[in-house]
Amino acid sequence: DGGITQSPKYLFRKEGQNVTLSCEQNLNHDAMYWYRQDPGQGLRLIYYSQIVNDFQKGDIAEGYSVSREKKESFPLTVTSAQKNPTAFYLCASSIGSVRGVMETQYFGPGTRLLVL
Amino acid sequence: KQEVTQIPAALSVPEGENLVLNCSFTDSAIYNLQWFRQDPGKGLTSLLLIQSSQREQTSGRLNASLDKSSGRSTLYIAASQPGDSATYLCAVSKNSGGYQKVTFGTGTKLQVIP
Repeated sequence: DGGITQSPKYLFRKEGQNVTLSCEQNLNHDAMYWYRQDPGQGLRLIYYSQIVNDFQKGDIAEGYSVSREKKESFPLTVTSAQKNPTAFYLCASSIGSVRGVMETQYFGPGTRLLVL
Repeated sequence: KQEVTQIPAALSVPEGENLVLNCSFTDSAIYNLQWFRQDPGKGLTSLLLIQSSQREQTSGRLNASLDKSSGRSTLYIAASQPGDSATYLCAVSKNSGGYQKVTFGTGTKLQVIP
């Protein structure tokens, strides 16, 4: 089955700790995205990647870092600099706007991050 | 800066009713508009995608319309069922520096009562 997987489903972070959220897709999509969802707010873009070895900051990148070493994988690290990390994190992918085609985004099931 | 508003924030209807969800956006220079469904604690599922050149899209009991000039879209759900209970999000996209920048609304939480 093709799709996007995120792990873990729940993640707990201690004060001052860095944690990494996994996102994998087997849809052969070029573009991948990380969003943060808070209650009562729309999804906000953290980082996006149009192609392997390239990524760009979104609207709320401070306190986060990403890598895109493989087409299938786009892990997100929540660093200790992110002072309010408690949220629902969603990963998405699309065929790729590099080709000039604005297609639908496909979303993973999400990871809920909680601070201990 | 693009802003997307969805009204109402929550809606409760009896089973079988037809209903309309509203979405408005401030910048009409969009590429497309999507409607998503989100179940509690889950990711988003794309329902309908309307390109900027289109006026509407239909899928089963769902019909989405787009009036780009007035910055509005509606999602019409016919003969609602309890399984339609979820949060519905609209999102608009435009080209921003060569990538697809997507702006989401805050959603309408729908409850269909059996």
